[in-house]
Amino acid sequence: ETGVTQTPRHLVMGMTNKKSLKCEQHLGHNAMYWYKQSAKKPLELMFVYNFKEQTENNSVPSRFSPECPNSSHLFLHLHTLQPEDSALYLCASSQVFTGLGGYTFGSGTRLTVV
Amino acid sequence: DQQVKQNSPSLSVQEGRISILNCDYTNSMFDYFLWYKKYPAEGPTFLISISSIKDKNEDGRFTVFLNKSAKHLSLHIVPSQPGDSAVYFCAASPNNAGNMLTFGGGTRLMVKP
Repeated sequence: ETGVTQTPRHLVMGMTNKKSLKCEQHLGHNAMYWYKQSAKKPLELMFVYNFKEQTENNSVPSRFSPECPNSSHLFLHLHTLQPEDSALYLCASSQVFTGLGGYTFGSGTRLTVV
Repeated sequence: DQQVKQNSPSLSVQEGRISILNCDYTNSMFDYFLWYKKYPAEGPTFLISISSIKDKNEDGRFTVFLNKSAKHLSLHIVPSQPGDSAVYFCAASPNNAGNMLTFGGGTRLMVKP
């Protein structure tokens, strides 16, 4: 496989559930990201991992817990979410010093919290 | 406070005509500017970029213009095609922040046949 792959594509979970989102890249990139896209809002950066180390946590509530076991895989563990957390969660990867190259995004996980 | 703004949430253009999408930014430290295109149910895909040392970059039907003094950039699509219908995001990053991209809110472009 090539590119950035996110699973699952769709997820419906109750507020008391625990679930995880998975992201995998086969581009040889050394940085990975989680973004959140809510309706009518800009893409919001959540977490940045450079060389498997978390370098940015953009004031994200602790009910979102990222994990980066290696430079190819990124997880977002979810627990006790709220309905307002329903959104499209996008994973991306890049080289650390991306400059003009930009990110490569996955197709996202559409999360609905009920 | 949004550092990158796309003030037009939507734009409708006739096929064959020019589409102009605009983006304004406030952070004078931004050095790299990028445009992404997003279709429904897909992630954004990189389209074209420009660095602050240039004022224009062209790639086929797509041209990005940068006006640093006005802190404004625009994406021109000529001629517009129905397949260009998508949401377009502009993004920017400072040179000293490596890979930190700040995105605008997006503009939905509809190209009518």
